[in-house]
Amino acid sequence: NAGVTQTPKFQVLKTGQSMTLQCAQDMNHEYMSWYRQDPGMGLRLIHYSVGAGITDQGEVPNGYNVSRSTTEDFPLRLLSAAPSQTSVYFCASSYQAVNTEAFFGQGTRLTVV
Amino acid sequence: AQKITQTQPGMFVQEKEAVTLDCTYDTSDQSYGLFWYKQPSSGEMIFLIYQGSYDEQNATEGRYSLNFQKARKSANLVISASQLGDSAMYFCAMREATSGTYKYIFGTGTRLKVLA
Repeated sequence: NAGVTQTPKFQVLKTGQSMTLQCAQDMNHEYMSWYRQDPGMGLRLIHYSVGAGITDQGEVPNGYNVSRSTTEDFPLRLLSAAPSQTSVYFCASSYQAVNTEAFFGQGTRLTVV
Repeated sequence: AQKITQTQPGMFVQEKEAVTLDCTYDTSDQSYGLFWYKQPSSGEMIFLIYQGSYDEQNATEGRYSLNFQKARKSANLVISASQLGDSAMYFCAMREATSGTYKYIFGTGTRLKVLA
């Protein structure tokens, strides 16, 4: 059972570099989302999607882009990495209903130097 | 606006004792869900328990129970008979049905340490 697959697990970037964090789920979930986790800040929503072709901004979208061309995939793009984007990133997916739990990827620890 | 507040950054509890982790929420929606997740030091997110806004009874899952007080907008997690393996970060989360987006919003978390 693959669930939510998130890659890479670790990444070091130089300031100004771009990269894409990959997220794929095999549960046919409509809802997918990206969070960043920083000490004392909890999980903050970056972007989310309620289906293929539909994305929207969360609490902290600046510096990140997303797209949802298929139900399965929801990549997160860092356009020009900054030290402030050093964080742990989580992808999560769920059914589109208020009573369903989210399934999380294993997380990506990103360091921008 | 959708908001989750966890006011306890850290908690200690003796092994075998019960502990309550606080969570308050703010929403104008009538239909919503409340969730608790556990994040051990390994980093993965583990779903623990769910409470629906229309549920009249408090949710229970093994040693976990959710003390739901709708009028006070609180959804506290109670862990009974704490074990060393309960040491972890705990997040409260909410999901609203408004507008059909069903966004998940998380609190800042409470780090629980169980003492032997």
